[in-house]
Amino acid sequence: GAGVSQSPSNKVTEKGKDVELRCDPISGHTALYWYRQSLGQGLEFLIYFQGNSAPDKSGLPSDRFSAERTGGSVSTLTIQRTQQEDSAVYLCASSPRTTTETQYFGPGTRLLVL
Amino acid sequence: SQKIEQNSEALNIQEGKTATLTCNYTNYSPAYLQWYRQDPGRGPVFLLLIRENEKEKRKERLKVTFDTTLKQSLFHITASQPADSATYLCALDINAGNMLTFGGGTRLMVKP
Repeated sequence: GAGVSQSPSNKVTEKGKDVELRCDPISGHTALYWYRQSLGQGLEFLIYFQGNSAPDKSGLPSDRFSAERTGGSVSTLTIQRTQQEDSAVYLCASSPRTTTETQYFGPGTRLLVL
Repeated sequence: SQKIEQNSEALNIQEGKTATLTCNYTNYSPAYLQWYRQDPGRGPVFLLLIRENEKEKRKERLKVTFDTTLKQSLFHITASQPADSATYLCALDINAGNMLTFGGGTRLMVKP
């Protein structure tokens, strides 16, 4: 079956511009996560959605970052007024249950802020 | 604060040998620990989960141990193959039900 998909796969933008990154989780998965991975680094948690509950935004690095999940499915991560330090791979993952067991990752969006 | 350490240096081994990767953590008692594989340009792929009451878990050529006293997990690949070359990440559940915290990963290179 279809896995987690993300778009765009690559995004180049100018400093100060806003960007939107999209994630389509596996159908039926109730949990959705966003992570950021800088070159050669581990994954940094950003935000977590679980069903209709309020999201856990504790990992968002600044108020320029926001995310929403519409209809319990597709999620969009928005970065406003991008900075060069925002350049990274943004990974989305989904999980079928209410726990964090076995997260299924998408291929990521590679963001480059010039 | 919670800290997860994996050897940041690449591990180079010869094909057929056993690769052993280490994951150490501090300041937490996770209910379980996971290992993922990540290939360049791709998202991580889940490999194994081991719970705090399990000492060892196996899957084909993979074996994971979990020592909650030492706060350490070892990840073994037996009879390694060049196709096993990738970065391996460990992850802990530090806020039950909410999120995983990942280590920085260890890159494994298996030479033919």
